[in-house]
Amino acid sequence: DQQVKQNSPSLSVQEGRISILNCDYTNSMFDYFLWYKKYPAEGPTFLISISSIKDKNEDGRFTVFLNKSAKHLSLHIVPSQPGDSAVYFCAARDTGTASKLTFGTGTRLQVTL
Amino acid sequence: NAGVTQTPKFRILKIGQSMTLQCAQDMNHNYMYWYRQDPGMGLKLIYYSVGAGITDKGEVPNGYNVSRSTTEDFPLRLELAAPSQTSVYFCASSYVAGVAKNIQYFGAGTRLSVL
Repeated sequence: DQQVKQNSPSLSVQEGRISILNCDYTNSMFDYFLWYKKYPAEGPTFLISISSIKDKNEDGRFTVFLNKSAKHLSLHIVPSQPGDSAVYFCAARDTGTASKLTFGTGTRLQVTL
Repeated sequence: NAGVTQTPKFRILKIGQSMTLQCAQDMNHNYMYWYRQDPGMGLKLIYYSVGAGITDKGEVPNGYNVSRSTTEDFPLRLELAAPSQTSVYFCASSYVAGVAKNIQYFGAGTRLSVL
């Protein structure tokens, strides 16, 4: 039973345009959501997060939106740059579970010139 | 800044062999985690630790053991390696205190093949 789903395995976007990566979840007890970025042969690196009490968080070119009623979050990257090409993982934390994270399967973003 | 260091980076094991994957962090984080990532899949939690001397099972603990004798180190032991344990293993750590957001920081991973 996959509690965090990233239904798009890959996404290709032109440089300068907006990239939108989506994530859906099923567990109502998730209280904190994170996006990680992963380059080949490296570990995931933290990108941006959002608490369940908010609906938007911005950090430079990256914005995460949370729609609790739809159990949906999205990561917007504007403008997209070639260096953004990586695999992006959505992760969610269940409150009271020793900060364990449940990860989605990832979306591979390719930013083309 | 070293952060989370994993050794080795690559390893090939024969079926039935044993090995220990090493993980060390220098950020004085209290929580540490071991994940595995199979192709096309997300990260699955194997074991985690909330402090020295305290460990617990994650989602996929079978075939693995851990110990945490110090804050810094969290080795993962594979006993009797099987082909199903072929994967990339990631160690992570975080500082958890109250309701503060607790971001996990990851090592570069160990790529393990069992043949």
